[in-house]
Amino acid sequence: AQSVTQPDIHITVSEGASLELRCNYSYGATPYLFWYVQSPGQGLQLLLKYFSGDTLVQGIKGFEAEFKRSQSSFNLRKPSVHWSDAAEYFCAVGARSGGYNKLIFGAGTRLAVHP
Amino acid sequence: KAGVTQTPRYLIKTRGQQVTLSCSPISGHRSVSWYQQTPGQGLQFLFEYFSETQRNKGNFPGRFSGRQFSNSRSEMNVSTLELGDSALYLCASSLSAGGRPDTQYFGPGTRLTVL
Repeated sequence: AQSVTQPDIHITVSEGASLELRCNYSYGATPYLFWYVQSPGQGLQLLLKYFSGDTLVQGIKGFEAEFKRSQSSFNLRKPSVHWSDAAEYFCAVGARSGGYNKLIFGAGTRLAVHP
Repeated sequence: KAGVTQTPRYLIKTRGQQVTLSCSPISGHRSVSWYQQTPGQGLQFLFEYFSETQRNKGNFPGRFSGRQFSNSRSEMNVSTLELGDSALYLCASSLSAGGRPDTQYFGPGTRLTVL
């Protein structure tokens, strides 16, 4: 069965520091991979996605993620965090087969940013 | 292009009642998926509709149902509400050209509180 693990429930970083949020997935083949961000009381905003091709993908707000097939990982990175990046981040996988749009989400990582 | 809209944004109901939530997808999107988000269970897939047909269903009881109209707007219904149904209900739409899985764009959600 598909699953997504985000090992870090909470992460605190200082403004201007670099950030890496971890995501590991379990899936029989290469899935579609996504990172979403959620601010309090809001819906999910797509940061970036991986479907195929270049394993380093660029997203909005200066985020990037790297797909590593050998490690079943899709970690999210940002070189310099801004206070406005404080939010909850979700990694998700989607199946390539079946024609369905069903996402399996990780439990999320809550990011706090210190000034 | 307008994003995904959900109405109402907030609802308060009592146990045993039923509720209907509405979702209007991005113009041109044919797939609508619904998710439940709770602090304990996280984000869980409810079901997906594509061209007025339920294409996939998550592991929820039959009290949870939905439908999609010819204009792709979707509704979900929860009957005989239980306290545990209190959650943020998120709707997502995707283009799904050719019926293939695709990027999902989320609405702001409906916050349901069951008393």
